[in-house]
Amino acid sequence: AQTVTQSQPEMSVQEAETVTLSCTYDTSESDYYLFWYKQPPSRQMILVIRQEAYKQQNATENRFSVNFQKAAKSFSLKISDSQLGDAAMYFCAYRAKYGNKLVFGAGTILRVKS
Amino acid sequence: AAGVIQSPRHLIKEKRETATLKCYPIPRHDTVYWYQQGPGQDPQFLISFYEKMQSDKGSIPDRFSAQQFSDYHSELNMSSLELGDSALYFCASSLGPGGAEGETQYFGPGTRLLVL
Repeated sequence: AQTVTQSQPEMSVQEAETVTLSCTYDTSESDYYLFWYKQPPSRQMILVIRQEAYKQQNATENRFSVNFQKAAKSFSLKISDSQLGDAAMYFCAYRAKYGNKLVFGAGTILRVKS
Repeated sequence: AAGVIQSPRHLIKEKRETATLKCYPIPRHDTVYWYQQGPGQDPQFLISFYEKMQSDKGSIPDRFSAQQFSDYHSELNMSSLELGDSALYFCASSLGPGGAEGETQYFGPGTRLLVL
């Protein structure tokens, strides 16, 4: 069974600084998808970024980028120029290419200080 | 852009009652997923449907059932409610399998169920 581990229960960052959230996963599949979702206090689940495992290039979406290390099964999220609105719970999630369900990590609470 | 719609947004029930949660996927999306998120927990997959057929099943109690209708909306039926069923229930939708876009699930705002 696939598992996703987020080892940082909570992180803090100063406004305008950069922060990196860690995620590792375990799978025997060779092709899969990885995601970062953001859950603000409203508890809406918002897609932040997506990475296809067969792509070598790291995904980027504006201030959000990932460091995908397939051999190490690591998928970290870097948030640049942090803003107060980035404060939320961040979930790392895995989906097998031919699967249906998302498997989530336990989440990391990100606090942004002004 | 249109998003996933869930109704009701909040629901309060007594133990042993029944509840029905509804989900309307993003237009053109034919795949629906249900997740349960308990307090302080990550979302857990319950069940999914593709083209009105059940495509996968997770840790869904036997007291729960779900279906997808011809217009692709889905309903999650929950019977004999227990205190432990209190949670946030998400519906997500995606395009059908095949292609990177089809692998991305977009979530609705959730239904908060409180069982007293």
